[in-house]
Amino acid sequence: QKEVEQDPGPLSVPEGAIVSLNCTYSNSAFQYFMWYRQYSRKGPELLMYTYSSGNKEDGRFTAQVDKSSKYISLFIRDSQPSDSATYLCAMRTPVKAAGNKLTFGGGTRVLVKP
Amino acid sequence: SQTIHQWPATLVQPVGSPLSLECTVEGTSNPNLYWYRQAAGRGLQLLFYSVGIGQISSEVPQNLSASRPQDRQFILSSKKLLLSDSGFYLCAWSRGTSTDTQYFGPGTRLTVL
Repeated sequence: QKEVEQDPGPLSVPEGAIVSLNCTYSNSAFQYFMWYRQYSRKGPELLMYTYSSGNKEDGRFTAQVDKSSKYISLFIRDSQPSDSATYLCAMRTPVKAAGNKLTFGGGTRVLVKP
Repeated sequence: SQTIHQWPATLVQPVGSPLSLECTVEGTSNPNLYWYRQAAGRGLQLLFYSVGIGQISSEVPQNLSASRPQDRQFILSSKKLLLSDSGFYLCAWSRGTSTDTQYFGPGTRLTVL
């Protein structure tokens, strides 16, 4: 079993819909959670970074963390065709050791249709 | 602000040829540096990371090697490329603090023929 599970998709939604993405994890030591967006043939771009349970909002994006269920989510409101990309979740422990490595999900491909 | 560069952007190499990919970071000092490979439609695989000049940790045994000759320079090399080395190579950096995350470069697409 992978440490971080993420549905690969593709997730196809009409323009203007809410996109809902999630990851589950097994390591309760993970305390910091990130969402990256990766366009085709580009490097991943950091979207959201959270380190506590609850919600964090940034524009059309909301990141949600539920540590008790080991479950994180990313919601994209009023989705646009430009949101079509692969979304990667990542997480790490607070221990400053071993290069502060991140553990990634496999990514979910999202298609927003006009 | 910090900027991370990778070159070349694309590379086509024959099997058995050598490889050198370069990554540099601007606007910070003593960063942690990382090399990842991403196969088509796959997740990110950490290959190497470095917490300082000359300090390299390998995550996956293979015919690749990494070096850090300067504080903000990270190089990925191979003496003889294999077909299986094809992929998208990403360099990333972090500040190395206990709360920091990683920031990625634009990537190098390598095709081995």
